[in-house]
Amino acid sequence: ETGVTQSPTHLIKTRGQQVTLRCSSQSGHNTVSWYQQALGQGPQFIFQYYREEENGRGNFPPRFSGLQFPNYSSELNVNALELDDSALYLCASSPDVQETQYFGPGTRLLVL
Amino acid sequence: DQQVKQNSPSLSVQEGRISILNCDYTNSMFDYFLWYKKYPAEGPTFLISISSIKDKNEDGRFTVFLNKSAKHLSLHIVPSQPGDSAVYFCAASDPYGGATNKLIFGTGTLLAVQP
Repeated sequence: ETGVTQSPTHLIKTRGQQVTLRCSSQSGHNTVSWYQQALGQGPQFIFQYYREEENGRGNFPPRFSGLQFPNYSSELNVNALELDDSALYLCASSPDVQETQYFGPGTRLLVL
Repeated sequence: DQQVKQNSPSLSVQEGRISILNCDYTNSMFDYFLWYKKYPAEGPTFLISISSIKDKNEDGRFTVFLNKSAKHLSLHIVPSQPGDSAVYFCAASDPYGGATNKLIFGTGTLLAVQP
């Protein structure tokens, strides 16, 4: 059984650019959550998708947006990148909303 | 404001001994807690969880204890093995999320198990 996968593994962008990160959820999982982990910090909740609908959002500005597709894979889009967006972006999937979340390896984003 | 706190950034333990990782929380409404382990260049791996209706949950070498009155939980690893060396995150499920399962993480504790 394939776990949660994310692409790309690493990415370098410049300030003001836009970025799209991708996540394939584990087979049978209908819920995807995205987290941002800054250096030396714990992961912070960005938003959650359940059956293609946004199902809750953390304290992140609207330039952070997402999508979930019919196969339950997901995208995280960040517009107008800022230096502080440099972080590890983690995707987690779960069999249902209130079930345990299983994380992918993350995408490390560097904004210059 | 940090609602989940791991006050020890690092811990060093000898192989075969007990490792005790601590976590404090501020919101008495939190009712479900999880521990994740993270190796470098990998995502967090789920270890063990506990509901507030219990005060202990055990899975092999890993035991989590919950003290609701003190708003404190701890993860015990016995016996510790070098492969346990990783960053350990404590997380709470936010009850105000409604239908959302939002996890609130601590800042992590780096465990080093010395052979």
